[in-house]
Amino acid sequence: GAVVSQHPSWVICKSGTSVKIECRSLDFQATTMFWYRQFPKQSLMLMATSNEGSKATYEQGVEKDKFLINHASLTLSTLTVTSAHPEDSSFYICSGGGSYNEQFFGPGTRLTVL
Amino acid sequence: QQQVKQSPQSLIVQKGGISIINCAYENTAFDYFPWYQQFPGKGPALLIAIRPDVSEKKEGRFTISFNKSAKQFSLHIMDSQPGDSATYFCAASTTSGTYKYIFGTGTRLKVLA
Repeated sequence: GAVVSQHPSWVICKSGTSVKIECRSLDFQATTMFWYRQFPKQSLMLMATSNEGSKATYEQGVEKDKFLINHASLTLSTLTVTSAHPEDSSFYICSGGGSYNEQFFGPGTRLTVL
Repeated sequence: QQQVKQSPQSLIVQKGGISIINCAYENTAFDYFPWYQQFPGKGPALLIAIRPDVSEKKEGRFTISFNKSAKQFSLHIMDSQPGDSATYFCAASTTSGTYKYIFGTGTRLKVLA
């Protein structure tokens, strides 16, 4: 399967600071990338869908000003959590869309906000 | 109508046994049904996927059975191994538009040695 990387894999930050998470498709071009949030022992919750060169489409209830998504190229999307607070602590996972409806997921980023 | 219901929530199987996880959907527009395996602290990995033009798909020890009329699909893991212990998610999507996934709630599988 296709490979998606995320960086960093783990980040701890202070409340009020911003954190950027990178998602890269390493061996394929992802026209569409998806960002998910997962709480412990729960399912994946889609936050937003981004298409290369376009504004992201956010799911209902997701604050677009808090979770800034940029998809500047076919291999890179970034998620910036602005003014992070402890309730933003979670596991953030991105995926890149393949040619046949598949989504290839990154390894995830564990965010802890103190 | 957008929900995908997954059961059971957790499952314990003896080594060598068959693990069966079921999913049901309502939206008849869904036409792509993948299964993902996730280990703790890792991202989900695609196991196997099926489209509604076939009723069964097998890849190694993993088989998807699909019942279009009942709007149900299931994952069968044959000869289950301790290394299969993970959380399994079913999902559904359409092949048109942005094909975003609707995920099931997950099944935590434990295979006893």
